[in-house]
Amino acid sequence: QSALTQPPSASGSPGQSVTISCTGTSSDVGGYNYVSWYQQHPGKAPKLLIYEGFKRTSGIPDRFSGSKSGNTASLTVSGLQAEDEADYYCKSFAGRNYWVFGGGTKLTVL
Amino acid sequence: QVQLVESGGGVVQRGGSLRLSCAASGFTFSSHGMHWVRQAPGKGLEWVAFIKYDRKISYAESVKGRFTISRDNSRNTLYLQMDTLRPEDTALYYCTRDGFNYALDMWGQGTRVTVSS
Repeated sequence: QSALTQPPSASGSPGQSVTISCTGTSSDVGGYNYVSWYQQHPGKAPKLLIYEGFKRTSGIPDRFSGSKSGNTASLTVSGLQAEDEADYYCKSFAGRNYWVFGGGTKLTVL
Repeated sequence: QVQLVESGGGVVQRGGSLRLSCAASGFTFSSHGMHWVRQAPGKGLEWVAFIKYDRKISYAESVKGRFTISRDNSRNTLYLQMDTLRPEDTALYYCTRDGFNYALDMWGQGTRVTVSS
């Protein structure tokens, strides 16, 4: 049950696009279509953005998109806005009712 | 009102026990799997335990044998019994709902657990 690998930080200017990667193995990210992404602002509970790799939760703008290739999932935030500055976490199903999170990425809007 | 409300956190000495509760409302609790997720101070999210609607259970290796997840569908309540606590168990513990798609679509505000050495 090793944590998924995310870059510790990412940044972009308003209006730009940023992509955050989430690398696992064939036992988790690569083995199932059950990667989800969460946004967490300071002092707040996490919020679900993307599920099943690419599906947006109700109310999440289409500026947020998810994808997967092999053992790596990605979250892209397009048209960056100041309120997108937050921590982002990926999570994957790892079989037999086990789940694993990524270490988190702090997104800074310059 | 659709919500999850955790309680039961506090300060405990190493080796002690705590029981966390999570009261669910506004949805059919018995139909959903439920998870506990924790976040140590300044750290990332860590999956802790899961109980399916049919009571199948799984735990992270870090808590297996020390923590017990359970649910009372008649009370719409999720529990986490934490025994033999260690300083590294210090964290904010979140109760979360599995939204039928292996994603956590509802979160409580968390209850804080501090284990002193």
